[in-house]
Amino acid sequence: DAKTTQPTSMDCAEGRAANLPCNHSTISGNEYVYWYRQIHSQGPQYIIHGLKNNETNEMASLIITEDRKSSTLILPHATLRDTAVYYCIKRSNFGNEKLTFGTGTRLTIIP
Amino acid sequence: DAGITQSPRYKITETGRQVTLMCHQTWSHSYMFWYRQDLGHGLRLIYYSAAADITDKGEVPDGYVVSRSKTENFPLTLESATRSQTSVYFCASSDLLGRGYNEQFFGPGTRLTVL
Repeated sequence: DAKTTQPTSMDCAEGRAANLPCNHSTISGNEYVYWYRQIHSQGPQYIIHGLKNNETNEMASLIITEDRKSSTLILPHATLRDTAVYYCIKRSNFGNEKLTFGTGTRLTIIP
Repeated sequence: DAGITQSPRYKITETGRQVTLMCHQTWSHSYMFWYRQDLGHGLRLIYYSAAADITDKGEVPDGYVVSRSKTENFPLTLESATRSQTSVYFCASSDLLGRGYNEQFFGPGTRLTVL
């Protein structure tokens, strides 16, 4: 089961939108895309998930391409507290609840 | 306090010693997980449990033992610690009930050093 592919690191200016890409070309029909982030030394935190439609919550927006092979997490107005490692994970939404983490994208917000 | 807690937060031990890391959650979540995170790497699943008395291996189970006699507790034991088990250990819990999607809630982590 191939993991997702993300850039190793990205920078974003404070106050701008941070767009984090993820490639999941091997995603199957029953797999969702989940995003978690891990702020330094803390446990990961759930951000958002989606299947095929775009999703938005109080933390972020998730844009999934029509073929579902890639997605983009958008933090609309990045703050310094958004500096973290962001993980894109594909998983089934039923049955076994395991998460398989890759190495993620280290996002640094620049003041 | 409500939530998921881990103890101890920091532990230094010696090679060959037995060490138990504790995890406790107050939500009555059915699923619980143990991950390890090594410097510069993502999290790797060690063991997980779908319910009390039901456990299963994850990606890196060798050298670890788990038990789950009560829903709220999921201790992880290193039977004979090795230096390669120096890591940060995270416990997590989750439950689909009433939520409709899988969100894992993570504890604060235990930083273990094996000398």
